[in-house]
Amino acid sequence: DADVTQTPRNRITKTGKRIMLECSQTKGHDRMYWYRQDPGLGLRLIYYSFDVKDINKGEISDGYSVSRQAQAKFSLSLESAIPNQTALYFCATSEAGKNSPLHFGNGTRLTVT
Amino acid sequence: SQKIEQNSEALNIQEGKTATLTCNYTNYSPAYLQWYRQDPGRGPVFLLLIRENEKEKRKERLKVTFDTTLKQSLFHITASQPADSATYLCALVKGTGGFKTIFGAGTRLFVKA
Repeated sequence: DADVTQTPRNRITKTGKRIMLECSQTKGHDRMYWYRQDPGLGLRLIYYSFDVKDINKGEISDGYSVSRQAQAKFSLSLESAIPNQTALYFCATSEAGKNSPLHFGNGTRLTVT
Repeated sequence: SQKIEQNSEALNIQEGKTATLTCNYTNYSPAYLQWYRQDPGRGPVFLLLIRENEKEKRKERLKVTFDTTLKQSLFHITASQPADSATYLCALVKGTGGFKTIFGAGTRLFVKA
């Protein structure tokens, strides 16, 4: 499903480096999210945005920041990467409304050495 | 704290049989519950949604039940096929947005031919 596109798909970086993960969508959804997935744990919400001017912290926002450049673009930054940020990162979108499911990209696998 | 649990052990079944996956939750009163499928290297894909006032929902070979007294949802795949092999995620949603979505860690299903 190319409606939600994440770049890069894989990234290896060193401790202390700043890194940005990008997400773009063609679904026309206002709401965008960044999740992190670790083995044995459920997806955990890092940040979410209900529109271009609205940014909210999720469950695990420490060490991360986001930017909503446009309705279709939502990027996640790790200011100073550390090894325990090694994980699979997913961007998702949804329509407004409580019945709206999440539409995920195919993820970015990030390794911090 | 709010918790959602899925069987961490993989489920192995024979083709043609019915697969049943369990999702239990505590300290949470979801408005509705979603099930997603995730294939290796891909993002989760939405399958079904069931509301708190619904007991059962069906879609083709899929059936979901939701028991708010037991705090449990069961996900059934009838006449299972090897192509059904994937990880299945349960997600609880309360309110009007993904920011109140909690995911289980998922159960891996293997269907043998």
